[in-house]
Amino acid sequence: NAGVTQTPKFQVLKTGQSMTLQCAQDMNHEYMSWYRQDPGMGLRLIHYSVGAGITDQGEVPNGYNVSRSTTEDFPLRLLSAAPSQTSVYFCASREPGQGRAFFGQGTRLTVV
Amino acid sequence: GQNIDQPTEMTATEGAIVQINCTYQTSGFNGLFWYQQHAGEAPTFLSYNVLDGLEEKGRFSSFLSRSKGYSYLLLKELQMKDSASYLCAALYNFNKFYFGSGTKLNVKP
Repeated sequence: NAGVTQTPKFQVLKTGQSMTLQCAQDMNHEYMSWYRQDPGMGLRLIHYSVGAGITDQGEVPNGYNVSRSTTEDFPLRLLSAAPSQTSVYFCASREPGQGRAFFGQGTRLTVV
Repeated sequence: GQNIDQPTEMTATEGAIVQINCTYQTSGFNGLFWYQQHAGEAPTFLSYNVLDGLEEKGRFSSFLSRSKGYSYLLLKELQMKDSASYLCAALYNFNKFYFGSGTKLNVKP
């Protein structure tokens, strides 16, 4: 099993550009989520989904969109990148109930 | 968001025992998770507690007191490879994880 796969691993964007961070999991988990990790601030929840067709906002959703058309995929879209979105982004899927989360390898995004 | 508090940095000696504390808000709380994160890598799951008490898993143990909003991770027989950040994460309303800022553990020879 591949687990949680994120692409790309690294990305540089110019201010105002748009892009989509991809996330796929092969564990048939209903719950998926996106986090950003900034120095000294830990991981902060951006958006999450409890199943196909269902998404909701986390702590820091502004500037990001998500959709969940299949159980496997949960892409994160930046519509107009800003330097404040420079961060490391992690996608995670979670076992049902109070189960543990499995993280992808992260995408290091720089917005200049 | 929820206030998840843990120390920023700790230093311990190889072979010793270290305890990393974490406090959290209790309203809506479902469970407490610990993750290890080496620099430049993804977090990996270590342990979780739903009920009060101690969960032991080899060299790692985790404790939870739901009434006090308190948890700790205990690492025994420290090894150099245990140098990493340890993230405390609390699950709320079964859907939202809130993470602490992480405790950077330095293990010295």
